[in-house]
Amino acid sequence: EEQLVQSGAEVKKSGESLKISCRVSGYSFTTFWIAWVRQMPGKGLECMGIIYPYDSDTRYSPPFQGQVTISVDKSISTAYLQLHSLKASDTAMYYCATRLANPAHSFDLWGQGTMVTVSA
Amino acid sequence: DIQMTQSPSTLSASVGDRVTITCRASQTLSSYLAWYQQKPGKPPNLLIYQTSILETGVPSRFSGTGSGTEFTLTISSLQPDDFATYYCQHYVDFRWAFGQGTKVDIK
Repeated sequence: EEQLVQSGAEVKKSGESLKISCRVSGYSFTTFWIAWVRQMPGKGLECMGIIYPYDSDTRYSPPFQGQVTISVDKSISTAYLQLHSLKASDTAMYYCATRLANPAHSFDLWGQGTMVTVSA
Repeated sequence: DIQMTQSPSTLSASVGDRVTITCRASQTLSSYLAWYQQKPGKPPNLLIYQTSILETGVPSRFSGTGSGTEFTLTISSLQPDDFATYYCQHYVDFRWAFGQGTKVDIK
């Protein structure tokens, strides 16, 4: 069974950095793009960026360019989202998601989400 | 950037009702239009992709149509499990744009 399993909830302070993970199982990690999607409390969905694990080709959505870093470790079938210089406005649920086909025009498999809380 | 606007933002309906949610775009879209259902505390669940293709396992009471700048999601007979928030999402050239969501609640 294909699965995306994310790391647990985090509580951080403003100015700190954070790296959350998304471990893939049940399919070949390098085959399909993996995206990161933000959902602020009570709000909608925003795609932050996407990475192709085979060659680490990464595309960022403009609002998130320079604000986050997406990476992978192929040896452990894991994708990462690094958030820099955290602000209270980074408080959100973060999901990894993929489409088990290319291109990733929609997302048919999601992680369970990682809640990030940033305090002043 | 393409702006996606869903209407209504909230919809109150009863079990058995036919429900239609509309997604309008600021410019002509490709056929890469998807619909998701999200329940509180859960990740979104893909219902329909490429405008009208039902994701495997999704009940046939869900359907999608549209072209150009207007797309719709229809639930033919609302069931208790369908009370949730629904999002449209478009894709083109490594850009994904979501609508703001439509919450379907109990009348």
